Amino acid sequence: GAGVSQTPSNKVTEKGKYVELRCDPISGHTALYWYRQSLGQGPEFLIYFQGTGAADDSGLPNDRFFAVRPEGSVSTLKIQRTERGDSAVYLCASSRGLAGPADTQYFGPGTRLTVL
Amino acid sequence: GNSVTQMEGPVTLSEEAFLTINCTYTATGYPSLFWYVQYPGEGLQLLLKATKADDKGSNKGFEATYRKETTSFHLEKGSVQVSDSAVYFCALKDYGGSQGNLIFGKGTKLSVKP
Repeated sequence: GAGVSQTPSNKVTEKGKYVELRCDPISGHTALYWYRQSLGQGPEFLIYFQGTGAADDSGLPNDRFFAVRPEGSVSTLKIQRTERGDSAVYLCASSRGLAGPADTQYFGPGTRLTVL
Repeated sequence: GNSVTQMEGPVTLSEEAFLTINCTYTATGYPSLFWYVQYPGEGLQLLLKATKADDKGSNKGFEATYRKETTSFHLEKGSVQVSDSAVYFCALKDYGGSQGNLIFGKGTKLSVKP
């Protein structure tokens, strides 16, 4: 079946602009995660949805970052007033939302964001 | 807090050499441990996992054993191939706290030469 998809694959924007990054999870997966991967680093957690609600948004770096998942499927990560330091690959993952260690996260290919 | 430390790369090996990538962790609860792999131009893929102490995860000839006494989860393969060239990430998920996120190490780039 189809995996996690993310659009766009690349986004170049100017400092101060607003961007939206989209994630389509695996069908039927109730849990959805956003991570950010800077060059030479491992992915860092941003936010986790269980269904439509944000179960944990402790990784969002500041209030310029916001994410929604209005119907419990597709999610959009929104970044306001972008800064050069926001340049990174933004990864989305989804899982079945099972309790405990049986739950495996499946990752999308990522969106590479470049802020000029 | 929870964290993962893995050996820095890059690691360059000849085909059929033995591979070890070290990974140690710090966790407040009872974590599950993972190795993810990122092949060139592709997304992160789960390679193997272990959910409790002394468990051994294995896949595609790779193995890692969850060692609680040394808080380690080292990745090994007896004979690497050129196709194993990728970046390998060690990660944990702590079920004692947040139910959601994975915590990753910085990644180790492996290059295998023919």
